[in-house]
Amino acid sequence: DGGITQSPKYLFRKEGQNVTLSCEQNLNHDAMYWYRQDPGQGLRLIYYSQIVNDFQKGDIAEGYSVSREKKESFPLTVTSAQKNPTAFYLCASRTPGARGQPQHFGDGTRLSIL
Amino acid sequence: RKEVEQDPGPFNVPEGATVAFNCTYSNSASQSFFWYRQDCRKEPKLLMSVYSSGNEDGRFTAQLNRASQYISLLIRDSKLSDSATYLCVVPGGSQGNLIFGKGTKLSVKP
Repeated sequence: DGGITQSPKYLFRKEGQNVTLSCEQNLNHDAMYWYRQDPGQGLRLIYYSQIVNDFQKGDIAEGYSVSREKKESFPLTVTSAQKNPTAFYLCASRTPGARGQPQHFGDGTRLSIL
Repeated sequence: RKEVEQDPGPFNVPEGATVAFNCTYSNSASQSFFWYRQDCRKEPKLLMSVYSSGNEDGRFTAQLNRASQYISLLIRDSKLSDSATYLCVVPGGSQGNLIFGKGTKLSVKP
């Protein structure tokens, strides 16, 4: 079955630690996205990538980093500079020729501070 | 006007009721719109796409009013399983990224 796989489902971060969230898709989608969702809030865009080896900052990129070395993979690193990392992180992707197309989501990673 | 604005609710309705949500958007050039459903502690899932004046899928009808820049979602004969948060989504930004509304919470009671 095609889809988007995020791992781990739950992640705990210690003070000063960097953690990496995995996102893999086998849908042959060019564009991939990372969002953050806080309780009772909407989705906020962290980073996005329209094509391999290229990515752009979203609205709340500070304290995060990404890479896009392969079409299928778009990992997100939450660095120690992100002082309030506790949130629900969602990865999404869109079809080629992405304008006008909906996004499809992985089932998310919940990150908490220890 | 905010890029996407929704009434947060909650909408509490009995089973069988008809309920409508509205969503306003600011980008008059937007061509495609989406409604997503998000269950508690789950990822958003695409409910409907709206590319012209509207779309209908069973009990769900989405309508688009370009002149007034709003989209509506109508749910007829509400079921308990319709309880969720409904997100309005419109294109925005320089590269056509999607902008998500904060969602409208629906609770269908027996």
